[in-house]
Amino acid sequence: AQKITQTQPGMFVQEKEAVTLDCTYDTSDPSYGLFWYKQPSSGEMIFLIYQGSYDQQNATEGRYSLNFQKARKSANLVISASQLGDSAMYFCAMREGYGGSQGNLIFGKGTKLSVKP
Amino acid sequence: DTEVTQTPKHLVMGMTNKKSLKCEQHMGHRAMYWYKQKAKKPPELMFVYSYEKLSINESVPSRFSPECPNSSLLNLHLHALQPEDSALYLCASSLRTGPQETQYFGPGTRLLVL
Repeated sequence: AQKITQTQPGMFVQEKEAVTLDCTYDTSDPSYGLFWYKQPSSGEMIFLIYQGSYDQQNATEGRYSLNFQKARKSANLVISASQLGDSAMYFCAMREGYGGSQGNLIFGKGTKLSVKP
Repeated sequence: DTEVTQTPKHLVMGMTNKKSLKCEQHMGHRAMYWYKQKAKKPPELMFVYSYEKLSINESVPSRFSPECPNSSLLNLHLHALQPEDSALYLCASSLRTGPQETQYFGPGTRLLVL
């Protein structure tokens, strides 16, 4: 079973509008971290935002916020006031507890966001 | 500063060549990673170094040989690669391994094997 599911292969949004990128996860580990990364066509993976499994409040970083619904195991990324430079691939990722995986990042398949002028 | 640097940015090599990829960070991170990413796919973990010791090798062929000479530097030595090894190779680092630690990525090396 997939540990991270991103159901939207591609999304379009109008410039200055808000957009939500979906991410659901599957883990039985009580300690985990959820991450969103942006990858422009240049290739660099840019860290956007982090949410810990024990965090009570949703994470926010500038125009990025994470809608964390623990019971539903979802961690959707909300981008407010989209800009043309937001056009990129977005990956949701999870690190589980220490165990044998040593907290390695598990990525979803990504969502390609295109911002229209 | 959350900078991870990688050199070279682009590399073209023949199947008989030997080359190396280099990754450097000066954030005091003690965990470093190599990922391979094919087009339109997510990154796949190759190796994890924790405190300069190889802790994970994700069944990577021996033609890829990692090396961690010190806590700031990570190399990936390439020898006798195949055309299917052409990909974007990403290096990352984090303070430690563990679920709460953010991995910061370098810009990657685009490798083409002819």
